Amino acid sequence: DQQVKQNSPSLSVQEGRISILNCDYTNSMFDYFLWYKKYPAEGPTFLISISSIKDKNEDGRFTVFLNKSAKHLSLHIVPSQPGDSAVYFCVRTSYGKLTFGQGTILTVHP
Amino acid sequence: NAGVTQTPKFRVLKTGQSMTLLCAQDMNHEYMYWYRQDPGMGLRLIHYSVGEGTTAKGEVPDGYNVSRLKKQNFLLGLESAAPSQTSVYFCASSYRLSGSLSGEQFFGPGTRLTVL
Repeated sequence: DQQVKQNSPSLSVQEGRISILNCDYTNSMFDYFLWYKKYPAEGPTFLISISSIKDKNEDGRFTVFLNKSAKHLSLHIVPSQPGDSAVYFCVRTSYGKLTFGQGTILTVHP
Repeated sequence: NAGVTQTPKFRVLKTGQSMTLLCAQDMNHEYMYWYRQDPGMGLRLIHYSVGEGTTAKGEVPDGYNVSRLKKQNFLLGLESAAPSQTSVYFCASSYRLSGSLSGEQFFGPGTRLTVL
């Protein structure tokens, strides 16, 4: 059973500071890990991904880190902006099938 | 280019009623998916399709049926609705996977279904 767990239901951050969202997983094979972002009343949208053969992937303000020995994934947002307020899902994918974490609600205060 | 659209946006059913949710995509994607999202949980895969005329079960398929008669459409049916099927339903689509393991999917806006 391949699980993805986000143990923090919510995170509150001041505008301009760093947001760090965390995720743990089990039983990894050669998978991709993704982060999806979801605004209320909308579907999730893809944010950034990382292959399990890499340790880091960066795209603008967003960086994802993968610690394979700890089976831990984190998303860093620097600097955080009020428009980043949303639910963030940690997702693993294996041959196109996605397994979602429970999500973390990020609130960025002005 | 509308992306992925879902019909209807909201629906209230009584226990035992049936209904069909429609998903349409205009990106010529081979893969299509139906998910449900319950409060405090991530999305869970109900059924998916790897091409026109094909369907397969996901993580939580019981109580649902699907059909993919046309490449651009994926229908989700509830034959006899139950209160446990109260949820938000999302449809998604993705490019055909041919050796790639990346799994970006494009999601519709969701259908909020309440079963009384």
